[in-house]
Amino acid sequence: KAGVTQTPRYLIKTRGQQVTLSCSPISGHRSVSWYQQTPGQGLQFLFEYFSETQRNKGNFPGRFSGRQFSNSRSEMNVSTLELGDSALYLCASSLEGRAEKLFFGSGTQLSVL
Amino acid sequence: GENVEQHPSTLSVQEGDSAVIKCTYSDSASNYFPWYKQELGKGPQLIIDIRSNVGEKKDQRIAVTLNKTAKHFSLHITETQPEDSAVYFCAASRGTGFQKLVFGTGTRLLVSP
Repeated sequence: KAGVTQTPRYLIKTRGQQVTLSCSPISGHRSVSWYQQTPGQGLQFLFEYFSETQRNKGNFPGRFSGRQFSNSRSEMNVSTLELGDSALYLCASSLEGRAEKLFFGSGTQLSVL
Repeated sequence: GENVEQHPSTLSVQEGDSAVIKCTYSDSASNYFPWYKQELGKGPQLIIDIRSNVGEKKDQRIAVTLNKTAKHFSLHITETQPEDSAVYFCAASRGTGFQKLVFGTGTRLLVSP
C-alpha cells in the first residue's frame, strides 16, 4: 500500500508569488491534515479536512488555504509568499479522521527567496 | 493554550545504553499521546502511542509511560542502536473528532557506536 504522497518535493519561489502543494493520502483514508515545520517554530498545525470539509484550522493568516477533493486528495495554497513561509510542509492522513494513527508524507520543502 | 514541552533538546548516548525523553502537556482535555521519529529528509513516522486510560505501553525496545495527574509522558528506548539516531517528537491530542496534534519541540538523539 502506497504511503502519503506529496508533490513537488522541492519548490523555490520569490516573495509575493503564490504556491500550490499537493497531497495524496493513503488509499482509503478520508481525512488529511497539513503541518508546517520550521527550525524555529517546530511542527505547527495548519488545517484539517474530512470528506471535503475543513474541520479545524490552526493559527495561520488567511494567506494559507486548502481544499480537499472527492477522491480525498488535498491541496494547500499560500498566496503572497513571505520569506518566513520558507518551511517543510507536511501532509498527513488517517483512516477515520482522528489524530490516532496519523501517517505523514515526506513533505514539500518550500524556499522563498 | 495548548502547549507541549519536550526535554532534552539533544541527547547523546553510547550504543547499548538507554535513552529517555520527557514531555509535559498543558491541555487537560488531551487524551492521546503519540511519539514520532523523523529521519533526515523524511516525514515523521509514528513509533508508539498511548491513550490516557493506559499508564504504560511497550513495544520491543520502546516504551512509553504516562502520568495524567502530573501531565507528564516519557519515551524510553533500551539497548539503543546507531539506527535509532534521529529526531524524536512527542505530541498530544484531544482525540476523537480532532486530527490536530500539538507537537513538542523535538529531541535530537545521537547513538554512537
